[in-house]
Amino acid sequence: GAGVSQSPSNKVTEKGKDVELRCDPISGHTALYWYRQSLGQGLEFLIYFQGNSAPDKSGLPSDRFSAERTGGSVSTLTIQRTQQEDSAVYLCASSRQGRLSGANVLTFGAGSRLTVL
Amino acid sequence: SQQGEEDPQALSIQEGENATMNCSYKTSINNLQWYRQNSGRGLVHLILIRSNEREKHSGRLRVTLDTSKKSSSLLITASRAADTASYFCATDVAETSGSRLTFGEGTQLTVNP
Repeated sequence: GAGVSQSPSNKVTEKGKDVELRCDPISGHTALYWYRQSLGQGLEFLIYFQGNSAPDKSGLPSDRFSAERTGGSVSTLTIQRTQQEDSAVYLCASSRQGRLSGANVLTFGAGSRLTVL
Repeated sequence: SQQGEEDPQALSIQEGENATMNCSYKTSINNLQWYRQNSGRGLVHLILIRSNEREKHSGRLRVTLDTSKKSSSLLITASRAADTASYFCATDVAETSGSRLTFGEGTQLTVNP
């Protein structure tokens, strides 16, 4: 696609429910990133994919968070048993070059705003 | 911990004035990038400066990098109301698993018409 697409753009859920956030990167971009941004804050790195594998999951805050990527394209971030502190904007970004190939410029989606009541 | 820290946290200026934002970081970098974020939107890449460069220009943007002080600055000249946004520096750091892009907390710029 022309840009990075994320869905849903907004999600309101009740504490304890599971949520799935989807990211469709730019076609041909092999690297995909998930970040989390709390209100008025910077970006917190969650996970990085190169193709379908995730060489760096170090940012996932707990085992309630997981992500997968299939076909080297679409990625899904799943949060199980959501808590109020999970409320944030979840941003996805993709990159043509990835982390092993020099300058790594990211193209971001508009984000998925998650609110846990 | 945050690799990049911007200052000021917030900046308010009049249209036509210049805006300067600073970024400091802690470890050696491959390159440093600046991104812009309009309210409620994703980040947009503005400019990249490599570790062996000292200054770079792109339109009304001027970025400097001082690796000895581990700092960078972003200057926006002749600002416009449309420049109102948050600006983030991001450091690309070499790690064993490849480079890693780490973002600072951002500077909120308001340009008043």
